[in-house]
Amino acid sequence: DARVTQTPRHKVTEMGQEVTMRCQPILGHNTVFWYRQTMMQGLELLAYFRNRAPLDDSGMPKDRFSAEMPDATLATLKIQPSEPRDSAVYFCASGLGTGSTEAFFGQGTRLTVV
Amino acid sequence: GQQVMQIPQYQHVQEGEDFTTYCNSSTTLSNIQWYKQRPGGHPVFLIQLVKSGEVKKQKRLTFQFGEAKKNSSLHITATQTTDVGTYFCAGPPSNTGKLIFGQGTTLQVKP
Repeated sequence: DARVTQTPRHKVTEMGQEVTMRCQPILGHNTVFWYRQTMMQGLELLAYFRNRAPLDDSGMPKDRFSAEMPDATLATLKIQPSEPRDSAVYFCASGLGTGSTEAFFGQGTRLTVV
Repeated sequence: GQQVMQIPQYQHVQEGEDFTTYCNSSTTLSNIQWYKQRPGGHPVFLIQLVKSGEVKKQKRLTFQFGEAKKNSSLHITATQTTDVGTYFCAGPPSNTGKLIFGQGTTLQVKP
């Protein structure tokens, strides 16, 4: 049963610490999205990749966030330094194509920054 | 930037009543997708509409895509408690690969 895998599922960290979230997209999918979900902002698109190349990261705070795909089986989202306002659920999703086919979501990483 | 708006934000209905959520984009979309997220879960794809004016049905759910490809709706007939969750519309603006989500409509169904 193919699925998107995200780790960790939960993370509690202190303000100022580095946080790394990982995502394993479904094998064969060439598009990866990172979303942040909060009650106030809903599902915000942070960044997306096609064939491992970053196509758009305009939704991401550049000074502290970075997203990479070291290889086709791993996408990472880093926050350094983390702040309490970063507390949210971060979802990774993968798909075939470029937004024209369904996105398969992982179960998310619930981040709490204290 | 491109925005996708959904109304209402919340809807409480009695089991058996109908429910509709509306989605409007500030720009033309190449397609519209609908997702459902159960409480504590992740968004799960329901359907995709591509053609102007397209209507699709899944059992008690009816999805429509507007003629101008800037709006869409989801209608649920005779809601059940299993319909509880947040319904999102999402779409890529034309000529982009982004998938932009609306704010979602959270449906509560009273048994």
